Amino acid sequence: GQQVMQIPQYQHVQEGEDFTTYCNSSTTLSNIQWYKQRPGGHPVFLIQLVKSGEVKKQKRLTFQFGEAKKNSSLHITATQTTDVGTYFCAGDFGNEKLTFGTGTRLTIIP
Amino acid sequence: GAVVSQHPSRVICKSGTSVKIECRSLDFQATTMFWYRQFPKKSLMLMATSNEGSKATYEQGVEKDKFLINHASLTLSTLTVTSAHPEDSSFYICSADNERGRGTKQFFGPGTRLTVL
Repeated sequence: GQQVMQIPQYQHVQEGEDFTTYCNSSTTLSNIQWYKQRPGGHPVFLIQLVKSGEVKKQKRLTFQFGEAKKNSSLHITATQTTDVGTYFCAGDFGNEKLTFGTGTRLTIIP
Repeated sequence: GAVVSQHPSRVICKSGTSVKIECRSLDFQATTMFWYRQFPKKSLMLMATSNEGSKATYEQGVEKDKFLINHASLTLSTLTVTSAHPEDSSFYICSADNERGRGTKQFFGPGTRLTVL
């Protein structure tokens, strides 16, 4: 079946260090979306990537979509305590449903 | 941005009872809503797609008679967990897509934490 894998599962970083999470799909995606879920909260939309090789930036966050539209990454520069949470990628295989990745839980060491 | 509400936020019930969860889109019309289930420290698993005015589409392995979905209007979908058992305890989250057919982002409700004793 269509699966979306995400690594790493957990990441602990010192405040100020960079953080990256990677997402891989079993098949080509129509688009990929990224969400952030704070502890005890619900997923909040961050961004959507549609085009092959697309790169988008939101302040300290950089999102990339692979050329083959099967992988994606989220990179956070100089992490802050407010970045704590679980980051999920979610792939749309063209059926307008989202298949969520396994998530990467980010903790920040002050 | 679009707002989705969910009620109740938390419910504790006895085994064998049924629980209804409401999902509302507050400032937009949602022809399609999605119901997810999330176990602690796990990812979101899509349970079903709720379509206004028609039957819901359930994902493989999800019992439609166990999880009844009704999407009676463009702003309301309900999920009823029938004859709940402790293994049904979970975090249930709904989402709504306000631009159906364009593969755009989903807006999530705050979730309902169900505990079955």
